[in-house]
Amino acid sequence: DTGVSQNPRHKITKRGQNVTFRCDPISEHNRLYWYRQTLGQGPEFLTYFQNEAQLEKSRLLSDRFSAERPKGSFSTLEIQRTEQGDSAMYLCASSQTGITNEKLFFGSGTQLSVL
Amino acid sequence: AQSVTQLDSQVPVFEEAPVELRCNYSSSVSVYLFWYVQYPNQGLQLLLKYLSGSTLVKGINGFEAEFNKSQTSFHLRKPSVHISDTAEYFCAVSNTNAGKSTFGDGTTLTVKP
Repeated sequence: DTGVSQNPRHKITKRGQNVTFRCDPISEHNRLYWYRQTLGQGPEFLTYFQNEAQLEKSRLLSDRFSAERPKGSFSTLEIQRTEQGDSAMYLCASSQTGITNEKLFFGSGTQLSVL
Repeated sequence: AQSVTQLDSQVPVFEEAPVELRCNYSSSVSVYLFWYVQYPNQGLQLLLKYLSGSTLVKGINGFEAEFNKSQTSFHLRKPSVHISDTAEYFCAVSNTNAGKSTFGDGTTLTVKP
């Protein structure tokens, strides 16, 4: 169990640029979640996948945001035309369904700063 | 809709003292409840969870929490804290799967020597 890995750890970009983050879940986990966390607040659910299918998206996820999990393994989260309000920590978590007690494992996050 | 209120944003406490971090929730249906801990520069880690059954739940690192349905609370307790318990603690609620949770804004626990 190597844990959930997120890259990059930090990303600084200028307003209007596109950015992409990557999440590698624990290998046997079939569910993958994206959360966003701003300073002083708890994580907010954005979207999740079961295998390669994106099952739910929060209304927080504007049209500028897109997430993929093409082969049911790693996932990417892309933000187009970034805005200063997108500055936040983007967290990824994974879990395995089919067991009674689903447990989330979180990565360390990608800190995005939009200048 | 669900919501979580963590009643204290910061809790300072001396080492070896007991601590309680308070969490209230609102939900129109049955819930699953969780406490997570976040150490600096690390991901969130599950401390404990309530799914059903006994209302007193024991977790890792000596923490426990009690589910109180009538008061819609899920307070976290530890009888004697250590310096290493200094971290951010998040309460979360879900009524479907554990992953799609609503989190509180966190409580910063600072343990002083």
